Amino acid sequence: SQQGEEDPQALSIQEGENATMNCSYKTSINNLQWYRQNSGRGLVHLILIRSNEREKHSGRLRVTLDTSKKSSSLLITASRAADTASYFCATRAGIQGAQKLVFGQGTRLTINP
Amino acid sequence: DGGITQSPKYLFRKEGQNVTLSCEQNLNHDAMYWYRQDPGQGLRLIYYSQIVNDFQKGDIAEGYSVSREKKESFPLTVTSAQKNPTAFYLCASSPSRTGSTEAFFGQGTRLTVV
Repeated sequence: SQQGEEDPQALSIQEGENATMNCSYKTSINNLQWYRQNSGRGLVHLILIRSNEREKHSGRLRVTLDTSKKSSSLLITASRAADTASYFCATRAGIQGAQKLVFGQGTRLTINP
Repeated sequence: DGGITQSPKYLFRKEGQNVTLSCEQNLNHDAMYWYRQDPGQGLRLIYYSQIVNDFQKGDIAEGYSVSREKKESFPLTVTSAQKNPTAFYLCASSPSRTGSTEAFFGQGTRLTVV
């Protein structure tokens, strides 16, 4: 079962604009992570936010987490053509020693020059 | 270089054959994972292992098998029981069993049934 669901499934914006992607999940989590995937490649970790955190920044990335709504958002500011990729949220849940890392369906982001 | 290596990059399988995908990491990570990705879709968890000689089924384990005899290796066998094996397979590892860390991914193996 997919724990996280991203929204929108696809997003196309002009270079320089901000891109916002959302992720919803179903069960209690320990942390939520965002990853990026270039076409046909492996995933690269972007940022991790713990369940007791509400907001986190890393360069042009800003992640928020609302555990009451079971949702997170990823904001990429001042987008560049090189940001074109698929973005996935992933959640960790479960008791220690039996934690799965479960991914959502992803958002395909296209930055138009 | 430290990292996680999947091989081969491309693999072709005839119907009814078993094939094994390799995943090796030299990061000294405890946890390892196998995912399947279909075109335009997200990642679905096949199997995961928190420690050597132990592994658990993920969401789509049917038709797959794994072993974890060594910390650095987590091979995935796609058996003939998997009816639709054509997909992109991704292996990942993470340092901690407790899950408070990121996962590192290999570059994937694209499996095609011919």
